Amino acid sequence: GESVGLHLPTLSVQEGDNSIINCAYSNSASDYFIWYKQESGKGPQFIIDIRSNMDKRQGQRVTVLLNKTVKHLSLQIAATQPGDSAVYFCAENLSGGSYIPTFGRGTSLIVHP
Amino acid sequence: EAGVAQSPRYKIIEKRQSVAFWCNPISGHATLYWYQQILGQGPKLLIQFQNNGVVDDSQLPKDRFSAERLKGVDSTLKIQPAKLEDSAVYLCASSLQTDNSPLHFGNGTRLTVT
Repeated sequence: GESVGLHLPTLSVQEGDNSIINCAYSNSASDYFIWYKQESGKGPQFIIDIRSNMDKRQGQRVTVLLNKTVKHLSLQIAATQPGDSAVYFCAENLSGGSYIPTFGRGTSLIVHP
Repeated sequence: EAGVAQSPRYKIIEKRQSVAFWCNPISGHATLYWYQQILGQGPKLLIQFQNNGVVDDSQLPKDRFSAERLKGVDSTLKIQPAKLEDSAVYLCASSLQTDNSPLHFGNGTRLTVT
């Protein structure tokens, strides 16, 4: 299940389960959204992106869903593996002049073998 | 392709000292970003360059932080004088263009101010 930790929301799942990580974005004018994965001691790594003219995009084992009505983004990971354990961030590009990539708080995903 | 290179990997300094971080972006990437990531938080944008010009530095504490990208390639970020609250990981990222391009991050410099 999902719980709020001291610093980051945490999602704990069993290996092989599907994971869903949620994100609320702030600006209705944002038109480009990206999910990043950050492992300990490393910089964020691009996973998948979606533009505002789409509501779903699929990659390898990952799917991003965009609901512009409620300004909500989700990342679904199929058949979660221990190597998926990391902190996941959604980022929005705020349009209007210059694009400023803005990151959310992040969710810590813990995958138990 | 080679990734974004950052150095040093770690730095420990005393408050009121100065420190500089270096970043070499991916070849051909016109846009370069410096982010500050405090433990338990998402990265916060400090400054964004397009080639050697500043696109946005609205969240850069300009009384103590400075950054440059003189030849439109490498960049340095400096803090002078450092405060305890500057302890964080400083991430450099680059992208092909300013809009609708994912960022490619380096592994950051972990700064500890004592």
